[in-house]
This record gives sequence, C-alpha cells and structure tokens, in this order.
Amino acid sequence: QKEVEQNSGPLSVPEGAIASLNCTYSDRVSQSFFWYRQYSGKSPELIMSIYSNGDKEDGRFTAQLNKASQYVSLLIRDSQPSDSATYLCAVKHYGQNFVFGPGTRLSVLP
Amino acid sequence: EAQVTQNPRYLITVTGKKLTVTCSQNMNHEYMSWYRQDPGLGLRQIYYSMNVEVTDKGDVPEGYKVSRKEKRNFPLILESPSPNQTSLYFCASSPSGINQETQYFGPGTRLLVL
Repeated sequence: QKEVEQNSGPLSVPEGAIASLNCTYSDRVSQSFFWYRQYSGKSPELIMSIYSNGDKEDGRFTAQLNKASQYVSLLIRDSQPSDSATYLCAVKHYGQNFVFGPGTRLSVLP
Repeated sequence: EAQVTQNPRYLITVTGKKLTVTCSQNMNHEYMSWYRQDPGLGLRQIYYSMNVEVTDKGDVPEGYKVSRKEKRNFPLILESPSPNQTSLYFCASSPSGINQETQYFGPGTRLLVL
C-alpha cells in the first residue's frame, strides 16, 4: 500500500528561524518526490522536486532526500510570515500516479 | 494567461443527481488529473489521463468517471453522487517532457452532496 505520512502540525516558528518539515513514504520503488505549498483557500503550487539522495537548494528552500530511510524533508531558512501555509509532500509512483501526504500546517510568527 | 480552469467553483446538489465538473487547460499539456481533498486525508488522486482517450484510475476512482476526448478538457462525472463525495476537487495538468512532473492546479470546486 502506498502511503505518505506527515505531521499535521501546526508547526509554529518565529520569523527568521528555520522551519523543518518532514515526510516519510512507504513504497521503496518511488523515485520522484515533491513539496507543494497550499495557502488557505487556494490550490497547491509546486515549490521543490527532488530525485536523488542528498540536498537540493532553491533560494531559502532546501529539500533533503534519504531513500534508504524513506524520508524527505523541507527546510525553510529565514522563515517569513508569508511562508505560513500548509506544505504537502507528494510521491510519484508510476505513469502520472501521485500520492500526497495529509500536509503540515506551518505558522510563522512575526 | 496560462491556466487551468474549473467549473463550477461551488456546487450544492442532492444524492443521485448526475453532475459534471469541467476542467480545461490552455497550456497544451499532455497530462491531466483529478484529485479530491478532505481534511486530514490530503489530496487523493481520482483519475489521470496521459493523452487523449487514455485514462487510468488513481487511488480513489469509485463513484467517478472521466473522459478525455480533447487534449484541453478533462471532465469529472459523478453519475450518482452520494454524501461521501462531498469534498474539494482539484484538476491539474502537466506537460510532457522534462517538466512532466510539474503539476499546475486549477482553483478547485467545492461540492456538497445532500
């Protein structure tokens, strides 16, 4: 069974701090991993994708992948109140089959 | 403007009354998907399509039908809606090629089945 797990939160961090979001997945053959951001009442938008073990950086965002441990994480440096949203972890299985986690709600406090 | 559109955005209906939610994209994308989003469960894929006339089941296809007769359109059909299909529905599209895993989501359709 394909499962993607996330801590639902809310995760609260002060402005300027590092926010760390975690995700675990069950299907060992998964090769593609994604982080989406969803503001309240809006649709998800892709912020990071990662395919290889290690870190991938894009601006203030760093995605980390460890296939042996089956986890993916997202670090947000210098967190801003505008980063307050729900972050969805997604895993691609085959074709265009994507499985999403339930999301972690992040609150950045001014 | 490149976008995915869904109609209607809000819908209240009764059990058993057939309905269709339309989805259209103007980006010439090959791939399209339908998801439902429920509190605590996240996004769950209902169906996806990899090309015209090519559709496949996602993880929660029961009670839904889709068709892909044109590249730009991917309607979601509920033949006999039930209250457990009350949800927020998203359509998404993605291009072929190296960016095929970048999904662009529509604004969502909130459905209430009484």
